[in-house]
Amino acid sequence: AQKITQTQPGMFVQEKEAVTLDCTYDTSDPSYGLFWYKQPSSGEMIFLIYQGSYDQQNATEGRYSLNFQKARKSANLVISASQLGDSAMYFCAMREASFSGGYNKLIFGAGTRLAVHP
Amino acid sequence: EAQVTQNPRYLITVTGKKLTVTCSQNMNHEYMSWYRQDPGLGLRQIYYSMNVEVTDKGDVPEGYKVSRKEKRNFPLILESPSPNQTSLYFCASGTGAPIYGYTFGSGTRLTVV
Repeated sequence: AQKITQTQPGMFVQEKEAVTLDCTYDTSDPSYGLFWYKQPSSGEMIFLIYQGSYDQQNATEGRYSLNFQKARKSANLVISASQLGDSAMYFCAMREASFSGGYNKLIFGAGTRLAVHP
Repeated sequence: EAQVTQNPRYLITVTGKKLTVTCSQNMNHEYMSWYRQDPGLGLRQIYYSMNVEVTDKGDVPEGYKVSRKEKRNFPLILESPSPNQTSLYFCASGTGAPIYGYTFGSGTRLTVV
């Protein structure tokens, strides 16, 4: 069964430093997508970055990059040059891509709360 | 603007009083889904729909109902709310292509007293 594990309930980082948020996943499907979402204190879910299981290169979006290690089944989010506005809850998620015609839901980890200190 | 609209944003109700949380999307997405978010548990899927008149249970469906009579709308119904349904609820929509995640609504914070 598919599963997402985020082992860090909380992290803190100094402003302008880089931080890595861990995510491991488990799936038997060779085709899947990995996602990171940010949830600020206002509550909305903001899509940050996507990595496909067949993508050869790590995904990057501005200050966000995804350190994808397929053999280890890990998809860590790296935030470079942290800003105060990065303080939020971060969720790792996965969606399998079976071609049986069935529904492929997005499953989430428990989340990591990041605090950026000045 | 492409978006998923949920209403209301905040709701306080009493045990047993039926309520409906509305969800509407303007992206012509086939898939729509409801999640609830609880501390330490992440987001868990309640119900989902693959298209009009096609719905199925997610991981935590007990105490909830849904319907999909139109492609754009996917309301969540609590026939007899209980305090353990106090949570943050999200509606989301997406296409069948796995390359995309879902677009989420702004959330509904429900308190059942």
